[in-house]
Amino acid sequence: EIVMTQSPATLSVSPGERATLSCRASQSVSSNLAWYQQKPGQAPRLLIYGASTRATGIPARFSGSGSGTEFTLTISSLQSEDFAVYFCQQYNNWPPLTFGGGTKVEIK
Amino acid sequence: EVQLVQSGEEVKKPGESLKISCKGSGYSFSTYWIAWVRQMPGKGLEWMGIIYPGGSDIRYSPSFQGQVTISADKSISTAYLQWSSLKASDTAMYYCARVFLGYDDYWGQGTLVTVSS
Repeated sequence: EIVMTQSPATLSVSPGERATLSCRASQSVSSNLAWYQQKPGQAPRLLIYGASTRATGIPARFSGSGSGTEFTLTISSLQSEDFAVYFCQQYNNWPPLTFGGGTKVEIK
Repeated sequence: EVQLVQSGEEVKKPGESLKISCKGSGYSFSTYWIAWVRQMPGKGLEWMGIIYPGGSDIRYSPSFQGQVTISADKSISTAYLQWSSLKASDTAMYYCARVFLGYDDYWGQGTLVTVSS
């Protein structure tokens, strides 16, 4: 089973600032990496797939990069609606597909 | 519009059985995998398993194999997750999600399952 590790667990950022979230895989997942956003009381929403492709309707301030074992989600200028928990998921080797533990982006 | 609509909140006692559902619409239900994901209170996402409704191919996470049963009825575009004997530790929110090329592109709204004596 591939283990996904996200850091930091919590990120405190001021509105308008840049946020950088990391996700590391225990072995290579190529570019088969997705990012999801989850707000309180809501289901997760797909943000990024293929490590760097934005899903339909996702604003350009969200960008993903990386391949192999190291990945990054960057939010270029945080808006109030971006404060949420973010999960990465590998879909290269399954079952099981595996999620990271999540990074909570909170208001500084 | 693609939609996954899950059945409502459940409150059960330990040892009881349960089957929750996920109805897809707005796309060809038989041709996309459906995954089930658990989220325990205040915790992260755990992938439980996946089913291909068109062929009933089912794969389970080792962590959930033998603990739950995943099924689907393509004639009514519905996937199911069931337990034969619930435990308090099954208390969680359960999501279904449509799988496209491995990632989950559409999610249901979730079904909250509470198991308490």
